Amino acid sequence: DVKVTQSSRYLVKRTGEKVFLECVQDMDHENMFWYRQDPGLGLRLIYFSYDVKMKEKGDIPEGYSVSREKKERFSLILESASTNQTSMYLCASSLGPPGREQYFGPGTRLTVT
Amino acid sequence: EDQVTQSPEALRLQEGESSSLNCSYTVSGLRGLFWYRQDPGKGPEFLFTLYSAGEEKEKERLKATLTKKESFLHITAPKPEDSATYLCAVRMNQAGTALIFGKGTTLSVSS
Repeated sequence: DVKVTQSSRYLVKRTGEKVFLECVQDMDHENMFWYRQDPGLGLRLIYFSYDVKMKEKGDIPEGYSVSREKKERFSLILESASTNQTSMYLCASSLGPPGREQYFGPGTRLTVT
Repeated sequence: EDQVTQSPEALRLQEGESSSLNCSYTVSGLRGLFWYRQDPGKGPEFLFTLYSAGEEKEKERLKATLTKKESFLHITAPKPEDSATYLCAVRMNQAGTALIFGKGTTLSVSS
């Protein structure tokens, strides 16, 4: 079974803090994704990566950056957390060929106060 | 504008009362339509992938079908444990590996 794990289920941070969200997958998937999910807005893509050290902006990259130094690990960084970044953050991975299904982690509920 | 629209937003069923959820898309060059189930506070769980009109996939009480402009998720004789939010996502020809998600249908099944 594909397993995608995220470093924290719940996180509370203060405005202005630098926040790191970690995601690890154990199925040797080439592609990894970061989404945020908000009520009424659905899932929105922040960034994705199709290879080590490669990244592409999604629909809402502002205020975020990412890092992929190893194939199995994809990190989302909030450089200076703001209250409007309070959300559920979901990591996903998929095999290389386009059109393959994505497998999601359990999510991190981030609250910025 | 919405490229993926799911309806209804919410659906309440009695146990055993079959129904269908709809996912319509307004994009051309579909390269895959995906159904997910999401329980509260958890990540989406992959259910099905459909690639071409006329294709059908089944899993237990769920059956997904695809036409040129929409997909249906049919739920036959649902049980309370089928209660969840069901998400639809599409991959378009020009979208690379990214998926576009609908906002979901929240299904509640009561006994």
